[in-house]
Amino acid sequence: DAGVIQSPRHEVTEMGQEVTLRCKPISGHNSLFWYRQTMMRGLELLIYFNNNVPIDDSGMPEDRFSAKMPNASFSTLKIQPSEPRDSAVYFCASSFTGVEKLFFGSGTQLSVL
Amino acid sequence: GNSVTQMEGPVTLSEEAFLTINCTYTATGYPSLFWYVQYPGEGLQLLLKATKADDKGSNKGFEATYRKETTSFHLEKGSVQVSDSAVYFCAYSGGYNKLIFGAGTRLAVHP
Repeated sequence: DAGVIQSPRHEVTEMGQEVTLRCKPISGHNSLFWYRQTMMRGLELLIYFNNNVPIDDSGMPEDRFSAKMPNASFSTLKIQPSEPRDSAVYFCASSFTGVEKLFFGSGTQLSVL
Repeated sequence: GNSVTQMEGPVTLSEEAFLTINCTYTATGYPSLFWYVQYPGEGLQLLLKATKADDKGSNKGFEATYRKETTSFHLEKGSVQVSDSAVYFCAYSGGYNKLIFGAGTRLAVHP
């Protein structure tokens, strides 16, 4: 298996633009997690899905952030409009066993200028 | 509230030195405890875990013991290698399907 695949690896955009991050989980996994990593706040859980249904989005910073999982093999995290403080590495992770073993993608490095 | 506290880095060691990275947690109930490792430019990988008190997780020469009495899960390795240079994250399962991470500790091993 290719593992969790995220795209793009790097994204540079200007403040106010829409940004869409993509994730393909490992086939057969039924849980998907979006994390954000910054120097100041470390790793933060933004949202997670179970069987394509959002279960907990309490970590989503504000209405500018939205996430979808239209099917078991694809998820998106969208920021509209983007702001410089959104600059971070965004990780997607998937699992078959809840949180007992998460598999992380390589992340998307987002820079909002 | 629930949290994980790790020792601050960076930790700088010479090859073959002994490693300890401290981790303590504050949580209700009996969470599972984890150590994840992040190599440069990569996502996190599960290194080891323990699911109940007194359990010892081990992998690749690393060990950690779940100490309920001290609410700790310190990571140890007897002889580190340059290839162990990475950021190490302590974590616990905080509630249904929530994995709470510590701030991470950067380890640099020099030849």
